[in-house]
Amino acid sequence: DTGVSQDPRHKITKRGQNVTFRCDPISEHNRLYWYRQTLGQGPEFLTYFQNEAQLEKSRLLSDRFSAERPKGSFSTLEIQRTEQGDSAMYLCASSRSGATNEKLFFGSGTQLSVL
Amino acid sequence: DAKTTQPPSMDCAEGRAANLPCNHSTISGNEYVYWYRQIHSQGPQYIIHGLKNNETNEMASLIITEDRKSSTLILPHATLRDTAVYYCIVRGSTGNQFYFGTGTSLTVIP
Repeated sequence: DTGVSQDPRHKITKRGQNVTFRCDPISEHNRLYWYRQTLGQGPEFLTYFQNEAQLEKSRLLSDRFSAERPKGSFSTLEIQRTEQGDSAMYLCASSRSGATNEKLFFGSGTQLSVL
Repeated sequence: DAKTTQPPSMDCAEGRAANLPCNHSTISGNEYVYWYRQIHSQGPQYIIHGLKNNETNEMASLIITEDRKSSTLILPHATLRDTAVYYCIVRGSTGNQFYFGTGTSLTVIP
């Protein structure tokens, strides 16, 4: 396993701009999760995919956020019209679905700063 | 989903055992207890998980009380590299989400 890869590691943008992050999961992992983490807090669940299907979205995921996993492999998370409150670490994780014995493997995250 | 309660911070002397407690009094019978840790500027790292029995792996041991309302993560010989935030998680009853709280910030002191 090469691990979960996220790109970019850091992103600085101006308020109102759109940004897109990419996540490449561990190969053959069919589940992919997105989390958001702000300073001093634990990661907060945003959404997850099983293969290409987006099965659950948190209420934290406003209309400005959209995630895709078109071929069941890599995933993108786009934020439109960014706001300063979107500044956070965006974490991606992948796993093999296996009910209660599932283990998440996380990437190093994308640190977003909205000026 | 069961909530977990952890102390916000702990210190441990290098070479000693670090015992990190977690309360999960509303845990359901089929929910696992997971432990992850997060070193600054990295993603969380899986440590261990268990259902009822105590578990041990190369990283740590997990002790779950008989009533399953609490657990303890044990790092047998803490090193400076174990300084991190440790999260105790009870897997969501829907079986999908992992809910992280604010965790315990462990500082290993030389």
